Amino acid sequence: DAGITQSPRHKVTETGTPVTLRCHQTENHRYMYWYRQDPGHGLRLIHYSYGVKDTDKGEVSDGYSVSRSKTEDFLLTLESATSSQTSVYFCAISDKGFSSGANVLTFGAGSRLTVL
Amino acid sequence: AQSVTQLGSHVSVSEGALVLLRCNYSSSVPPYLFWYVQYPNQGLQLLLKYTTGATLVKGINGFEAEFKKSETSFHLTKPSAHMSDAAEYFCAVSDQAGTALIFGKGTTLSVSS
Repeated sequence: DAGITQSPRHKVTETGTPVTLRCHQTENHRYMYWYRQDPGHGLRLIHYSYGVKDTDKGEVSDGYSVSRSKTEDFLLTLESATSSQTSVYFCAISDKGFSSGANVLTFGAGSRLTVL
Repeated sequence: AQSVTQLGSHVSVSEGALVLLRCNYSSSVPPYLFWYVQYPNQGLQLLLKYTTGATLVKGINGFEAEFKKSETSFHLTKPSAHMSDAAEYFCAVSDQAGTALIFGKGTTLSVSS
């Protein structure tokens, strides 16, 4: 987890409230990702960023938005949390994409979100 | 579209036994393939990756995987299981655009003494 910090690590909130998860990296990597992990589903990509203010949707982006105003920070926002968004959220970083070689993702420790 | 299928959500072995975790992939372009491991309450760590070239890839902690294009497989093996290998293992493939990884649903490995 060196170089990647997720906050908060644990959060309990109520349905309908906004929630923001933060991912901070010190590696100066170009790519940042948000995945969610759920039993029986593995990891699914929510959104990713390929540079400051450059973001794109992943497989399960509905109900989520992201922002990246600085290279080191990637924020995931749930505008109005629902119980189906109870999950463990992982941030990952990569210095380049995968089109020119087998780059790797480095993961943070995760943020466990419970929506009551 | 790219995808991976991990056969068996749970695998149990005895300490010292062979570990075999199965992964099949679907890819419309030459794939880059990965195995990650997740220990309880931790993030994911890279075990090994396949690029091009040698089809037998060696990773950390004695694990290895063989890329078999004809079988579209990338199975993970370890000759002798150790108690510390108990974890969840994920196979992943790079997506068609080359921007992200697509993960399988994971296989939980249990090791008994």
